[in-house]
Parts: sequence; structure tokens; C-alpha cells
Amino acid sequence: AQRVTQPEKLLSVFKGAPVELKCNYSYSGSPELFWYVQYSRQRLQLLLRHISRESIKGFTADLNKGETSFHLKKPFAQEEDSAMYYCALTDSWGKLQFGAGTQVVVTP
Amino acid sequence: DTEVTQTPKHLVMGMTNKKSLKCEQHMGHRAMYWYKQKAKKPPELMFVYSYEKLSINESVPSRFSPECPNSSLLNLHLHALQPEDSALYLCASSQGLAASLDTQYFGPGTRLTVL
Repeated sequence: AQRVTQPEKLLSVFKGAPVELKCNYSYSGSPELFWYVQYSRQRLQLLLRHISRESIKGFTADLNKGETSFHLKKPFAQEEDSAMYYCALTDSWGKLQFGAGTQVVVTP
Repeated sequence: DTEVTQTPKHLVMGMTNKKSLKCEQHMGHRAMYWYKQKAKKPPELMFVYSYEKLSINESVPSRFSPECPNSSLLNLHLHALQPEDSALYLCASSQGLAASLDTQYFGPGTRLTVL
């Protein structure tokens, strides 16, 4: 069965410090992996996806198939990065499965 | 129009009521989804429509009845709900061309309270 694990419920960092959100997955095939973000009082939106290999808002994520991980990183956290972050994967049917989410709080 | 819209924003209903949630997109997407999100939990998939046909039903109770009248609209009909069905109901859409590679675009949700 597919599963997405985000071990940290809450991550508190200082502005300007690096931030890393962990995500591990289990899936029998080749999953497509995503990071979604939900800012306060805003809709859930895509932050980045593995296949695009982009850097969005300074965030990057590298797929490590050996460790089955897709950790999200940003070298210098900003206050506007405070949000709920969900790691997710899709199966071949398009079923999107989310991890439990990590609440990021960036303090000045 | 590049957004998924949902109406109403809030809904309060009794256990004997019948109500409907509405979702609309005009991005030409051919896949649409309903999710349920309880407080401080991730969204959980309920239904997937692909090219206006129901393709996935995640064993959702029959008191929830989806309907896709056309490629732009998705409804969720509610009847005889229970208080534990109170949640944020999210609609999403995607291009529907290659399911696993599609990005899903979410609406703002309908906050449902069942009394």
C-alpha cells in the first residue's frame, strides 16, 4: 500500500535559518511526488513537483529513490513561509495521497 | 478564469436535510475530485471523475452522492448526514491527460457543519 510519512508535525525556525521538511514514501511503482502548501486562510496550492525539477519561492526538493525520500529544503527561511506543508504522491489512477502535514512557523 | 470555485463557502444543515455543494472550473480540465478535510488533518480523497465519468469512489457512504453534469461542473449531494461528517469539503480539478502526472488545482472549500 502506498504511504506518505511526514515525521514532523511542527517545525519552528528563525528567519534566515535553513529549513528542511522531511518526507518519506512507500509505493510499489514509480510515484510522482508533490509538495503542496496551505497558507493561512488560503486554498491548498502546489508548491513544487518532482517532475518539474524547479525551485519555487527558494524551495527545492530532491527525490532520493534509494532512501524513498522527497525532502523539501530552503536555505534561508522567510516569515511568509509560515504555512502548512503537505507532501503527496499520486498513483497511476491519479489518486493523490497526502502525508499528515508539517506546520512551519518562522519567527523573526 | 484560472480558479476552481466552490459554493457555498459555509453550510449548516440538520441530519434530515438535503443539500448540495457545487464546484466549477473553466480551465478545460477533464478530471475533477472531491476531498474531505477534517481539522488539522490532510485532505482525504472521496471521488474522482474523469471525462465526466466516476472513476474512483473511495468507499464513501451513500449519503454522499456525486454528480458531474458537464465537464465544468461537479456537485456533491448530501442527505441524512451525521455530525461526524462536519468538515471542509474540497474540490479539485486537473487536466486529466495523464493522471499520475497531473497537478491538481484546489478550490477554497465549503465548510460544512452538521447539527
